[in-house]
Amino acid sequence: AQKVTQAQTEISVVEKEDVTLDCVYETRDTTYYLFWYKQPPSGELVFLIRRNSFDEQNEISGRYSWNFQKSTSSFNFTITASQVVDSAVYFCAHGSGSARQLTFGSGTQLTVLP
Amino acid sequence: DAGVIQSPRHEVTEMGQEVTLRCKPISGHNSLFWYRQTMMRGLELLIYFNNNVPIDDSGMPEDRFSAKMPNASFSTLKIQPSEPRDSAVYFCASSFWGFGEKLFFGSGTQLSVL
Repeated sequence: AQKVTQAQTEISVVEKEDVTLDCVYETRDTTYYLFWYKQPPSGELVFLIRRNSFDEQNEISGRYSWNFQKSTSSFNFTITASQVVDSAVYFCAHGSGSARQLTFGSGTQLTVLP
Repeated sequence: DAGVIQSPRHEVTEMGQEVTLRCKPISGHNSLFWYRQTMMRGLELLIYFNNNVPIDDSGMPEDRFSAKMPNASFSTLKIQPSEPRDSAVYFCASSFWGFGEKLFFGSGTQLSVL
């Protein structure tokens, strides 16, 4: 069975600091997808990024960047120059190649202080 | 374009009452998922459908829970009878059917069973 671990329960940073959210996964699948979702205080879950297991190329999108390393089964997410609006719960998720549902981590509550 | 629409946003009921949660997926999506979010257990998949057919209901906690998808544009999740431990946020999500497809979530239904 798949398992996603987000060891950081809560993180607080001051605005403009960089912050990295950790995600470690366990899987027996050889093909899979990894996701990050954001849940702002309003409650809905918003898709941020998707990576498949064949693509370890890291990506930067504006203030966001992702570091996928199969060797350590990690898929970390970094926000550069954080802003108050980044305050939310961030979820890492695993999509199995053998099934269609996503398995979510427990989430990391990020608070960005002004 | 309209996203996934869930109703009601909030539901307060008394133990023993029947509760029906509703979901309208994004037009064109052929997969629909029901998730439950609690502090203790995080995001749990309850059931998912493909082309209106239930594929995996192993996450449904017990027989008090049932879900239907009578057509491509509507699904319900019913709890009968409801219990206080069912209090949670229930999310509906939809996607195209395919490996690695991202889920689009509704705003959720906050259920409180007194």
